[in-house]
Amino acid sequence: QVQLQESGPGLVKASQTLTLTCTVSGGSISSGGYYWTWIRQHPGKDLEWIAYIHYTGNTYYNPSLKSRIYILVDTSKNQFSLKLTSVTAADTAVYYCARFGEVLSAFDIWGQGTMVTVSS
Amino acid sequence: QSALTQPASVSGSPGQSITISCTGTSSDVGSYNYVSWYQQHPGKAPQLIIYDVNDRPSGVSNRFSGSKSGNTASLTISGLQTEDEADYYCSSYTNSATLVFGGGTKLTVL
Repeated sequence: QVQLQESGPGLVKASQTLTLTCTVSGGSISSGGYYWTWIRQHPGKDLEWIAYIHYTGNTYYNPSLKSRIYILVDTSKNQFSLKLTSVTAADTAVYYCARFGEVLSAFDIWGQGTMVTVSS
Repeated sequence: QSALTQPASVSGSPGQSITISCTGTSSDVGSYNYVSWYQQHPGKAPQLIIYDVNDRPSGVSNRFSGSKSGNTASLTISGLQTEDEADYYCSSYTNSATLVFGGGTKLTVL
């Protein structure tokens, strides 16, 4: 059973760079057929798709965040990461990593989420 | 890319059926049968309940069903149960090879 687990700082200061990591267990990130995804949920409700990456390195970014984000994969550690630069209070959210299936075309497995607060 | 449009809230009584709409554009919902729905209980991660417009993952109740017409997708929950009370989100693939979510709908089971 594939499981995802996010890890990150919890609190980051405004203007700094946020780095989050998702560790995949129970399966190989290199097995193919999936895009490894970051999604966030602001306090209140809405979900926002941030970016996803294939183990081959193929990436896609949310156009509204593209100038500030970078996603990368480390197949040796079975992890993928997100870097978000120049954070502001608007980046305060729960960040989820998730698996998007190329065949299923949906996010079928999610991590539990990690809360990130941007302080001034 | 703009978020898909969902009603903020819907409600129903146990045993009834409800439908949640999800309206996009010809660049997302209208162009692909890659619409999915997620159920989220408070403090939990979203859980996939419908994919590819109307398919259910293994283990999801057949009380959940999906459909699509033009730029609007819909989720129907029949035989409402108290445990169905949750937030529901739709998502669609787009012609930019990106994904977009709806704003979410809070379902209250009266």
